Amino acid sequence: GQNIDQPTEMTATEGAIVQINCTYQTSGFNGLFWYQQHAGEAPTFLSYNVLDGLEEKGRFSSFLSRSKGYSYLLLKELQMKDSASYLCAVSRWGKLQFGAGTQVVVTP
Amino acid sequence: EAGVAQSPRYKIIEKRQSVAFWCNPISGHATLYWYQQILGQGPKLLIQFQNNGVVDDSQLPKDRFSAERLKGVDSTLKIQPAKLEDSAVYLCASSLAAEQETQYFGPGTRLLVL
Repeated sequence: GQNIDQPTEMTATEGAIVQINCTYQTSGFNGLFWYQQHAGEAPTFLSYNVLDGLEEKGRFSSFLSRSKGYSYLLLKELQMKDSASYLCAVSRWGKLQFGAGTQVVVTP
Repeated sequence: EAGVAQSPRYKIIEKRQSVAFWCNPISGHATLYWYQQILGQGPKLLIQFQNNGVVDDSQLPKDRFSAERLKGVDSTLKIQPAKLEDSAVYLCASSLAAEQETQYFGPGTRLLVL
């Protein structure tokens, strides 16, 4: 969707750290959202970045570089329940454009 | 606070039949969105309402899809006639206002067209 690129799948072990990268075209950029979506469920809001830098929220952190068109979501101390798809969404001209999502698989 | 409600949760129809989905947004949310999410893809915006007016329907296939939000609260999305490629999850979301406001999603309606 509109050149929002994120990896298709990542696998990590319980207790580990995983970083999900997202790159996007910078034209019209207002801000960037991360959503978590468990299989068969609705996306749920995780974070919103509008300024450069790192936003920390418990085990999850999100980083944004506006000039580079780059964001990442950092998941620390992975738990089995973190197995889900993580969607990067760019707010552009008042609309959200989603990436295809990164499926994170947490193994014991 | 109650979340976004959608019904039905699942629907199976044959191609060329019609189907309608209903959404009740979070109380007080002026902006309502309908998304289509095909398996393995991110949600794609179909239509955005601000109160009872359409803000953006540029990606709505208007020859078969229609949506309304007559009183600025509930909304319905209709497909008539359905095609095989319409098989997807239809997500409704709402936000307090448009632009940079966090969108909250309903559980979705999973449609299978046979």
